[in-house]
Amino acid sequence: SYELTQPLSVSVALGQTARITCGGGNIGGKSVHWYQQKPGQAPVLVIYINNNRPSGIPERFSGSNSGNTATLTISRAQVGDEADYYCQLWDSSTGVFGGGTKLTVL
Amino acid sequence: EFQLVESGGGLVKPGGSLRLSCAVSGFTISSYSMNWVRQAPGKGLEWVSSINSGSRYIYYADSVKGRFTISRDNARNSLYLQMNSLRAEDTAVYFCASGPGGTTGYYFDYWGQGSLVTVSS
Repeated sequence: SYELTQPLSVSVALGQTARITCGGGNIGGKSVHWYQQKPGQAPVLVIYINNNRPSGIPERFSGSNSGNTATLTISRAQVGDEADYYCQLWDSSTGVFGGGTKLTVL
Repeated sequence: EFQLVESGGGLVKPGGSLRLSCAVSGFTISSYSMNWVRQAPGKGLEWVSSINSGSRYIYYADSVKGRFTISRDNARNSLYLQMNSLRAEDTAVYFCASGPGGTTGYYFDYWGQGSLVTVSS
């Protein structure tokens, strides 16, 4: 079965750029989606199909996907961006989530 | 405003059954795939099951295949998950989520707040 690998944690200074990676075999050939989840809340879709932002998601959130790595980039990081972030894709009729990355804004 | 509201969770003994429901308001689910995703306490997200708009295509995670059954009633704008032969490892918050489905696969654009299922003797 397909596996997605994310770092357990990423730290970023306030106002700087955070990059969260999601690794998988030839992931660049697949559509990757990203979710933000704050404690006690439901996940929120922040990027769909690699680099598309849903309505209401700030332009500071962007995505890319190539080779064996997909990346979620958060520019000008804010305290409110602190959350767990999950990548997800659909492979062989199965939904797959990465293990999640905890983003800390210092 | 879009709302997805799960119900039916609770405490159940190993081997028991539960039926989760997800009532949707603010949009008509008939054009969308519907999905269940779960999250064990302190753990990450785990996809459970998906059903396309017309109920023709249904998918399950290996961990629940043969025990769980997803269904939908477009007339009632509702989604269901029948869970049988429950195990301790099924303990989780179960989220209902909608999504477009289609050629890019399934992803989840609107989510409910979740319903807690606890399997314990």
